[in-house]
Amino acid sequence: GAVVSQHPSRVICKSGTSVKIECRSLDFQATTMFWYRQFPKKSLMLMATSNEGSKATYEQGVEKDKFLINHASLTLSTLTVTSAHPEDSSFYICSARKTGLSYEQYFGPGTRLTVT
Amino acid sequence: GNSVTQMEGPVTLSEEAFLTINCTYTATGYPSLFWYVQYPGEGLQLLLKATKADDKGSNKGFEATYRKETTSFHLEKGSVQVSDSAVYFCALSGNTGTASKLTFGTGTRLQVTL
Repeated sequence: GAVVSQHPSRVICKSGTSVKIECRSLDFQATTMFWYRQFPKKSLMLMATSNEGSKATYEQGVEKDKFLINHASLTLSTLTVTSAHPEDSSFYICSARKTGLSYEQYFGPGTRLTVT
Repeated sequence: GNSVTQMEGPVTLSEEAFLTINCTYTATGYPSLFWYVQYPGEGLQLLLKATKADDKGSNKGFEATYRKETTSFHLEKGSVQVSDSAVYFCALSGNTGTASKLTFGTGTRLQVTL
């Protein structure tokens, strides 16, 4: 199989603090990982593409200094929401693509962030 | 840019009923098309895909045909089960380069009752 985990599954933090979300590919290596944000009753919006060992590529309108992405190994990418505000509350989902020619993305279960 | 439009839910059906979830897209070039399913509490899973016009993707009794003339990729199943209750997402990705970014529709919740 191709299993992707996310941690934590739920997190509540206070305004102004930072929170880190981890995305791991458990049984495969992933050169590329993607971070999405899902609003209630809305589609998944791609935030950034994370490539192992290089800087992430952010989509237009996504603040790179606010959403820090690190992809330090072939099985782990992290998203840090810095100085969080209530409007950052959302469901964050990662996906991973196997190293090689496959274009299929394998999705994590998501992380529910609530900023109070 | 690319976009995907799918019917709003929720869709409520009785078990063994016929299912259609409409999906249309706008894209340049020749995108690949996908249906993903998200069961409660789980991540998205690829249900089926089609990579060129007239291709039919199928899996677990679900089917969808890539119709370039109508820019559609409607999901169908002849007889739904309670276990099919989930949120279904239509998506596309461009075939240029290796970015393979996915563009998603808003998702359609399916509720199947006994």
